[in-house]
Amino acid sequence: DGGITQSPKYLFRKEGQNVTLSCEQNLNHDAMYWYRQDPGQGLRLIYYSQIVNDFQKGDIAEGYSVSREKKESFPLTVTSAQKNPTAFYLCASSWGATRNEQFFGPGTRLTVL
Amino acid sequence: GQSLEQPSEVTAVEGAIVQINCTYQTSGFYGLSWYQQHDGGAPTFLSYNALDGLEETGRFSSFLSRSDSYGYLLLQELQMKDSASYFCAVRDRTGGSYIPTFGRGTSLIVHP
Repeated sequence: DGGITQSPKYLFRKEGQNVTLSCEQNLNHDAMYWYRQDPGQGLRLIYYSQIVNDFQKGDIAEGYSVSREKKESFPLTVTSAQKNPTAFYLCASSWGATRNEQFFGPGTRLTVL
Repeated sequence: GQSLEQPSEVTAVEGAIVQINCTYQTSGFYGLSWYQQHDGGAPTFLSYNALDGLEETGRFSSFLSRSDSYGYLLLQELQMKDSASYFCAVRDRTGGSYIPTFGRGTSLIVHP
């Protein structure tokens, strides 16, 4: 079955540690995105990538980093520079940057203790 | 930049019709989308409007007026399973990139 996966579903880390969230898709989509969602809030764009080896900052990129070495994979690293990292992180993909339907993964809930 | 406004909460009874409004401000509008998200779940795509008018998909319809920077999602024959958050989203073309922006979401509560 084609889809987009994120792992793990729940993640706990100590303050000051970097952590990497996985996102994999087998939909052959060119574009991939990372969003952050806080309780009662919408989705805020962290980073996006329109093609392999290229990515752009979104609205809240500070304290985060990404890579896009393969079309299928778009991992997000939450660094210790992110002041308030506890949140629900959603990865999405789409056929291209102009295609409006985004397919979302199940999300990773990160809690920093 | 972009900004979107939608009501924070809407309540309705089973079988009724409900409309969720969305107003937006963008510098390079490239379509309005709607997503549904159940608690703890992932958003799922519902509809997309690039041109003015009404798009119908089963019990759900979406409307767009580009001159008013306004759209709405219409849900008919409401069911309990429709209780969820609904997000409008616009795609804005900035410097050759198509940046998606989501509203804060509308929590729909359907009562028996």
